[in-house]
Amino acid sequence: NAGVTQTPKFRILKIGQSMTLQCTQDMNHNYMYWYRQDPGMGLKLIYYSVGAGITDKGEVPNGYNVSRSTTEDFPLRLELAAPSQTSVYFCASNDRVDSGNTIYFGEGSWLTVV
Amino acid sequence: QKEVEQNSGPLSVPEGAIASLNCTYSDRGSQSFFWYRQYSGKSPELIMFIYSNGDKEDGRFTAQLNKASQYVSLLIRDSQPSDSATYLCAVNEDFGNEKLTFGTGTRLTIIP
Repeated sequence: NAGVTQTPKFRILKIGQSMTLQCTQDMNHNYMYWYRQDPGMGLKLIYYSVGAGITDKGEVPNGYNVSRSTTEDFPLRLELAAPSQTSVYFCASNDRVDSGNTIYFGEGSWLTVV
Repeated sequence: QKEVEQNSGPLSVPEGAIASLNCTYSDRGSQSFFWYRQYSGKSPELIMFIYSNGDKEDGRFTAQLNKASQYVSLLIRDSQPSDSATYLCAVNEDFGNEKLTFGTGTRLTIIP
């Protein structure tokens, strides 16, 4: 069971570079999320999606973009990376019909911007 | 802005004792409440969720909710070294919306 898969696991970016964090889930979940977690802090919602073609901003969307062309994939795009975007990024998914309130998290992507 | 507050700890508890973790939230309209466990360098995993006032038990874990006081807690009985982790409280504003607001977490250490 793959669950939620994120790539890459680790990445170092230079200021001003761009990159995409990939996320895919094989559970046919409608809901998908991107969170970031700064050291010693809780998770903050960046963007979420309630289904293919539908995305919406979370608490901290500035500097990021997302797309949801399929149910399985929810990539997160970082444009013009800044040191403030150094964080651990978690992709997650759930489907309230099938899994109640269990949100399945990916293993995380550690991003450092220097 | 919705806020979820937790004591960051660290909280140290002897093995076999009861660990008590507390969480308060600011949005009185919040409907569902979650406790996640996160080991260092790992992703969060759901331990329990609770919707109704009162206690909900699952094995060694008990979640307690008091909506009037805007307070939710997690009790861990017979604490084990494997319970050492950061515990995140999360709150959802309504049942149809899965946007969770997380607290900063409480770091729990079980002392053998």
